[in-house]
Amino acid sequence: NAGVTQTPKFQVLKTGQSMTLQCAQDMNHEYMSWYRQDPGMGLRLIHYSVGAGITDQGEVPNGYNVSRSTTEDFPLRLLSAAPSQTSVYFCASSWSGGDGELFFGEGSRLTVL
Amino acid sequence: KNEVEQSPQNLTAQEGEFITINCSYSVGISALHWLQQHPGGGIVSLFMLSSGKKKHGRLIATINIQEKHSSLHITASHPRDSAVYICAASTGTASKLTFGTGTRLQVTL
Repeated sequence: NAGVTQTPKFQVLKTGQSMTLQCAQDMNHEYMSWYRQDPGMGLRLIHYSVGAGITDQGEVPNGYNVSRSTTEDFPLRLLSAAPSQTSVYFCASSWSGGDGELFFGEGSRLTVL
Repeated sequence: KNEVEQSPQNLTAQEGEFITINCSYSVGISALHWLQQHPGGGIVSLFMLSSGKKKHGRLIATINIQEKHSSLHITASHPRDSAVYICAASTGTASKLTFGTGTRLQVTL
């Protein structure tokens, strides 16, 4: 099993550009989520999904968009990148939100100039 | 104030030492996770527990629901244990997770 596959691993953007971080899992997990990790802070939830067609906002959703058209895929879109979105992003999945074992992607390091 | 607090923030140990990392939380939870992150690496789940104690190899995790406290112990530490250890509490609707800021562990020879 591949687990959670997240791409790209590194990306540099200019302010105002848009991009999509891809996340795919092959474990048939209903719950998928996106986090950002910043120095000195814990991981913070951006958006999450409890199943295909269902998404909701987390703690820091502004500037990000998600969709869940299939169980496997949960892409994160940056609509107009800002330097404040420079961070490391992690996608995660589980069978039941925080009440199931967590599986993380390898992370995506994004720099916005 | 973060709802999940970890201590210590940084920890240096010599190979073979017994290590304890603490996690306190201020709200009711349904599960507590311990995660490991190697430098520049991804995040791996070590334990998920809602009561009692779990053991995997040299790692032991305990939780005291009444005291809202969990500990991660590493016995006979080894340099390959050097990593950031993160606790996360599952709370509220949709079992959202609140993360601690992590404990950076360095094990030297």
